[in-house]
Amino acid sequence: GAGVSQSPRYKVAKRGQDVALRCDPISGHVSLFWYQQALGQGPEFLTYFQNEAQLDKSGLPSDRFFAERPEGSVSTLKIQRTQQEDSAVYLCASSLSFGETEAFFGQGTRLTVV
Amino acid sequence: QQQVKQSPQSLIVQKGGISIINCAYENTAFDYFPWYQQFPGKGPALLIAIRPDVSEKKEGRFTISFNKSAKQFSLHIMDSQPGDSATYFCAASTSGSRLTFGEGTQLTVNP
Repeated sequence: GAGVSQSPRYKVAKRGQDVALRCDPISGHVSLFWYQQALGQGPEFLTYFQNEAQLDKSGLPSDRFFAERPEGSVSTLKIQRTQQEDSAVYLCASSLSFGETEAFFGQGTRLTVV
Repeated sequence: QQQVKQSPQSLIVQKGGISIINCAYENTAFDYFPWYQQFPGKGPALLIAIRPDVSEKKEGRFTISFNKSAKQFSLHIMDSQPGDSATYFCAASTSGSRLTFGEGTQLTVNP
């Protein structure tokens, strides 16, 4: 498809489990962002990649959160030892290049920690 | 720290009416102000955006008004339709960087 693709769409994890969320950005997009959206709230920034370089990870809430984009295309957000407060929709967005302002969002992965 | 404040939290208008959503920001380094529309189960989609060198931008039924001195901007939806029922987010960024979103406005347009 032509848009940003995220998988899985839904994930239920038991507290303490590790999860991995995948993002396939639009082909050729240099910039990739991860956001966390709690129920009824606006998305909040987690981390930013330009190609394979993680230039900003200031929004990651704890060291249990880790993101990578090793080849500058697909990105994975990993959450270790999930907690109930990690339950949220995780959104990925990509844009054509640094300084390009329009960001295209995927449909998100809804994570529920039980 | 909430850098973009949005109001109202929810809004109900009649079909054909005007929907108005307001946002205020704090960071004067912001130079890009988009509005996103989000339907349930979907990711946000860019609706319209403005830069601070203009005071108004119109695209079809959607208009952004921008007041740089007051650090405020608003979205006006003219001739609102039931299909416009969604959650709307204002946002701000410094070109190309992370977006800072408002809290969202749930708009319901009654037929």
